[in-house]
Amino acid sequence: EPEVTQTPSHQVTQMGQEVILRCVPISNHLYFYWYRQILGQKVEFLVSFYNNEISEKSEIFDDQFSVERPDGSNFTLKIRSTKLEDSAMYFCAGYRDPQETQYFGPGTRLLVL
Amino acid sequence: AQKVTQAQTEISVVEKEDVTLDCVYETRDTTYYLFWYKQPPSGELVFLIRRNSFDEQNEISGRYSWNFQKSTSSFNFTITASQVVDSAVYFCALSGPKAAGNKLTFGGGTRVLVKP
Repeated sequence: EPEVTQTPSHQVTQMGQEVILRCVPISNHLYFYWYRQILGQKVEFLVSFYNNEISEKSEIFDDQFSVERPDGSNFTLKIRSTKLEDSAMYFCAGYRDPQETQYFGPGTRLLVL
Repeated sequence: AQKVTQAQTEISVVEKEDVTLDCVYETRDTTYYLFWYKQPPSGELVFLIRRNSFDEQNEISGRYSWNFQKSTSSFNFTITASQVVDSAVYFCALSGPKAAGNKLTFGGGTRVLVKP
């Protein structure tokens, strides 16, 4: 059964550094999402992406964040200048059709020191 | 705005006991979808069930069952004869009908601890 994959599984970075989190969605998926989960808290929506553009973003998704799907397979989340409060688990998700269920990747655990 | 409330932050049971997780939601949409996800200690989110707002039939899958009551805006989840492997955080989530940008709104989660 196809799966969503994410790399790296863990990343440690220094405050102020740029990080890129990568996701490979299931090949026939058309709608893509990033969510984050601060340790011990609920999962929060960051951004949705469809037809090569952002379709919706949350208040969390400020100018420090960007997403792209450069080659039709990878779906990336970039944080330009990381802050301590960006430490969280970041999940990629996707589906082919809005009538379907969103399937999540295993997550990238980001720690900003 | 959509909102999901899971009032129970943590539930502790002894193996073989039944456990029911409460989920109450708020939405102005007439068409919406409800979900339950399991997050084991390893951290991934495992899909359990999806239910649309027009289907109020309860569902049973093995030891899992779900009770959807539109009149009280609740979508409760019961684990029958719990096992240690059921220990996890369980999230209820809600999405609306919008074709693009159909984001999930999650509840705060309920941690279930099943003791042997």
